[in-house]
Amino acid sequence: NAGVTQTPKFRVLKTGQSMTLLCAQDMNHEYMYWYRQDPGMGLRLIHYSVGEGTTAKGEVPDGYNVSRLKKQNFLLGLESAAPSQTSVYFCASTRRTEDSPLHFGNGTRLTVT
Amino acid sequence: SQKIEQNSEALNIQEGKTATLTCNYTNYSPAYLQWYRQDPGRGPVFLLLIRENEKEKRKERLKVTFDTTLKQSLFHITASQPADSATYLCALDTGRRALTFGSGTRLQVQP
Repeated sequence: NAGVTQTPKFRVLKTGQSMTLLCAQDMNHEYMYWYRQDPGMGLRLIHYSVGEGTTAKGEVPDGYNVSRLKKQNFLLGLESAAPSQTSVYFCASTRRTEDSPLHFGNGTRLTVT
Repeated sequence: SQKIEQNSEALNIQEGKTATLTCNYTNYSPAYLQWYRQDPGRGPVFLLLIRENEKEKRKERLKVTFDTTLKQSLFHITASQPADSATYLCALDTGRRALTFGSGTRLQVQP
């Protein structure tokens, strides 16, 4: 049981390049999330999804797009990377039950130069 | 909007002592509050959840309290060990099932 798997683990982009981060979960969770974590700022929610084919904006959605074509996968896209998007990105998933805890992946460290 | 405040300064304590971490929030009281542990280079791991109608929750050496009057949760680790050294995050649901996290408090337990 792998839990939540994020790929890649590390990536360096040049300003203006695009990329997609992949999150996969094998727990049959309905809800999935993308957070970014910056020093001293904690985890901030980018986008989330409450089910296959649905997505919603979080606290810091600008510059990112997401898709949830399959229940087990949640993709985060950067169409034109900016240095301000240098961060560690975490994916998480949880069950539909209201107080279920989040299960996190181990993050993707992205540097935009 | 709901803001969560955790002490950004690291907490250094001696092995065997009790560590107490604080989480304050600013607006409405959430239905529940969660605590997570995060080790360097890893994602957060869930530890405990406490509901608004619960004053205290325990799990082994961990204890969480929830005071909706003070808008505060306290997280205690008794008989602390060097292996407890990590960053501890509190989180609450601000609606839409999207958890909002505090910035975390780093705990360092000295042997």
